[in-house]
Amino acid sequence: KQEVTQIPAALSVPEGENLVLNCSFTDSAIYNLQWFRQDPGKGLTSLLLIQSSQREQTSGRLNASLDKSSGRSTLYIAASQPGDSATYLCAVIPGGYNKLIFGAGTRLAVHP
Amino acid sequence: DAGVIQSPRHEVTEMGQEVTLRCKPISGHNSLFWYRQTMMRGLELLIYFNNNVPIDDSGMPEDRFSAKMPNASFSTLKIQPSEPRDSAVYFCASSKGQNTGELFFGEGSRLTVL
Repeated sequence: KQEVTQIPAALSVPEGENLVLNCSFTDSAIYNLQWFRQDPGKGLTSLLLIQSSQREQTSGRLNASLDKSSGRSTLYIAASQPGDSATYLCAVIPGGYNKLIFGAGTRLAVHP
Repeated sequence: DAGVIQSPRHEVTEMGQEVTLRCKPISGHNSLFWYRQTMMRGLELLIYFNNNVPIDDSGMPEDRFSAKMPNASFSTLKIQPSEPRDSAVYFCASSKGQNTGELFFGEGSRLTVL
């Protein structure tokens, strides 16, 4: 059974820091991996989607990497800003099965 | 483009009442998902449809929950009768293609059952 774990559960950093959020999954047979952002009281916003054949995706200050063999993904946020404060969730689609399995998320606070 | 649209945004009801949540997916998307989010359990997939057909409803908690997708632009999630433990935020999401995977979420319906 696929399980997704995110570490740390919460993170507080000063503005301007580069930071890394971690996601691990137990079964490497995934179809793709997706990173989301959720603001309090809001829905989930898709940030980056990495197909299983890819190793990374970039969007602005965000870079997500995928290492299927080790069951890991990282989300790198460069030059963090207070507006980056949110919960970041990682989710995988197990191979051949269109069902996103979510981690519990990392709650990020960037203070001025 | 309009995103996934859900209604109502907030619903407060009493135990035993029927609750109907509604979702309009993004035009052109043929997969639709209903998720429930709670502090204790995080995000749980309840059911998903592909081309209006339910593919996997194994996440539906019990017979009190039912979902329909009568056409490509509308889906409902119904709880009858509702119970306090059903209190949660219910999200609808849609994607293009069965395994393309990139999901787009609505803003959610926050349900409180008293």
